[in-house]
Amino acid sequence: EAGVAQSPRYKIIEKRQSVAFWCNPISGHATLYWYQQILGQGPKLLIQFQNNGVVDDSQLPKDRFSAERLKGVDSTLKIQPAKLEDSAVYLCASSSISGRVYEQYFGPGTRLTVT
Amino acid sequence: QKEVEQNSGPLSVPEGAIASLNCTYSDRGSQSFFWYRQYSGKSPELIMFIYSNGDKEDGRFTAQLNKASQYVSLLIRDSQPSDSATYLCAVKGFTGGGNKLTFGTGTQLKVEL
Repeated sequence: EAGVAQSPRYKIIEKRQSVAFWCNPISGHATLYWYQQILGQGPKLLIQFQNNGVVDDSQLPKDRFSAERLKGVDSTLKIQPAKLEDSAVYLCASSSISGRVYEQYFGPGTRLTVT
Repeated sequence: QKEVEQNSGPLSVPEGAIASLNCTYSDRGSQSFFWYRQYSGKSPELIMFIYSNGDKEDGRFTAQLNKASQYVSLLIRDSQPSDSATYLCAVKGFTGGGNKLTFGTGTQLKVEL
């Protein structure tokens, strides 16, 4: 079974520029998550999709971040304009319902450096 | 108060010893609890989950849950240098419409030869 795919793996941009990240979840997983992980911290949920609908985006800085999941499969996360504090690893995860437990599987992440 | 708290470490144990990693959480309504391992520069990897009080064993790993004390732990028996990583505790709550994982900051484990 193929895992969660993400691209690019690394990105360096200057502040005020824009950037986009792509994620392809595990086949058949209806739920997709974007997390931000700042160095030394745990992942923080930015947005959660169920199929192509948003379930939770309460921690997404909506003035600069946007995300979409067209057709309920792939997803794109965009930052525009980027700030220095956006430097982090952006992780995509997916899950399917399995009994009472909801296991999330992570992709390799995109390491963003904003200079 | 943080929702999920872990000691950041580093926790150093000798090879072959038992490593004990601890996590407390604030939401009494939390339903499921997960331990992820994260090697430096890599993404988190799920190693255990537990949702009932008591112990759950999987190979060298044992997860322990005490909902009354809002406490979950991970024991690693016969620790190996390859176990050196950051261990993230994650707690599943419920948002309107779906499940949500809240992560702690992680405990760095170092297994020394």
